[in-house]
Amino acid sequence: AQSVTQPDIHITVSEGASLELRCNYSYGATPYLFWYVQSPGQGLQLLLKYFSGDTLVQGIKGFEAEFKRSQSSFNLRKPSVHWSDAAEYFCAVPSGSARQLTFGSGTQLTVLP
Amino acid sequence: SQTIHQWPATLVQPVGSPLSLECTVEGTSNPNLYWYRQAAGRGLQLLFYSVGIGQISSEVPQNLSASRPQDRQFILSSKKLLLSDSGFYLCAWDSTSGLTGELFFGEGSRLTVL
Repeated sequence: AQSVTQPDIHITVSEGASLELRCNYSYGATPYLFWYVQSPGQGLQLLLKYFSGDTLVQGIKGFEAEFKRSQSSFNLRKPSVHWSDAAEYFCAVPSGSARQLTFGSGTQLTVLP
Repeated sequence: SQTIHQWPATLVQPVGSPLSLECTVEGTSNPNLYWYRQAAGRGLQLLFYSVGIGQISSEVPQNLSASRPQDRQFILSSKKLLLSDSGFYLCAWDSTSGLTGELFFGEGSRLTVL
């Protein structure tokens, strides 16, 4: 079954610093890949998605992600983090016959002032 | 535009009591509907999904059940809650007409079983 792994449970960065959150996928063909963000006590919001084509994908809130087939990765990046980016981030891939999303375990981002 | 509503937002229930969480989608027809549970430190676990009225698929055996009495209504229930049912429950929908796989989530319902 398709799956994603987020190796970092918790990351702390200073405001203004760059950010990279890791996501590795397990999939035989080129997958659809997603990054979602969850603010405390809220539902999830889609940041960006990759289906095909350009391997560098731009999303909302200044985020981008790069699909690297050779590394089976889809890492999320932001050049300069804002305090409002503190949240939990989930990588996801469709799996199953009904295309349900399977989520990684999440990475909690803390932003220091 | 499409919206999704979940209620109640917060619920504290004793062990053995029943549960009913409701989710309603507006502004779309014939959506796929999903219930996820998010337990502390364990990511999101898909509990149920539905591709149409009365059609429910369960991903994991558990103490919970789901029903879809109307096209845009999805209900999560239990006859007797367990301590392990505590968690943050998220309803979501996506379109059956597209292949994007993008899910739209409600604001969640936090359940504490004491």
